[in-house]
Amino acid sequence: DQQVKQNSPSLSVQEGRISILNCDYTNSMFDYFLWYKKYPAEGPTFLISISSIKDKNEDGRFTVFLNKSAKHLSLHIVPSQPGDSAVYFCAASEKGAQKLVFGQGTRLTINP
Amino acid sequence: DAGVIQSPRHEVTEMGQEVTLRCKPISGHNSLFWYRQTMMRGLELLIYFNNNVPIDDSGMPEDRFSAKMPNASFSTLKIQPSEPRDSAVYFCASSLGLFGGKPQHFGDGTRLSIL
Repeated sequence: DQQVKQNSPSLSVQEGRISILNCDYTNSMFDYFLWYKKYPAEGPTFLISISSIKDKNEDGRFTVFLNKSAKHLSLHIVPSQPGDSAVYFCAASEKGAQKLVFGQGTRLTINP
Repeated sequence: DAGVIQSPRHEVTEMGQEVTLRCKPISGHNSLFWYRQTMMRGLELLIYFNNNVPIDDSGMPEDRFSAKMPNASFSTLKIQPSEPRDSAVYFCASSLGLFGGKPQHFGDGTRLSIL
């Protein structure tokens, strides 16, 4: 039973345009959400997070949006750069819990 | 600052052998996590420790798997005996804080191949 789902295994975007990565969850107890970025042969790197008390969090070119009623979050990257090509994982945890549940990942390719 | 350090980076061994993976968390972090990544199951949590004490080992697949954290700066994940289906990338991660809401910092993983 996948509690965190990333339904798009891959996404291709032109350099300079917006990349939008999506994530859905089923567990209503989740209250903290994170995005990680992973390059080949490296571990996942924390990118940005959002608490359930917010609906948006921004950090430079990266913005995460949370829609609690739809149990959906998205990561926007504007403008997209070649170095953004990587696998992006969505993750979630319940309130007060340290355990993270990860989605399957979306491979983002930025084309020049 | 040094990140999470895992060793070895690659391990190839024959079925039935004992395998020991090692992890050094970020200094000052008090939570440590072991994950396994496979094509079929993605990134799944095996076990995590808080202040060197195992908190949740429900993700450990079988009794062949065991993990220890003898002190705040070292942890091991052992597989004995190993089987081909254990082939995967194993990640260690650490974080600061007793409660949730803290990002985990990952090592670069150990790629394990069991022949």
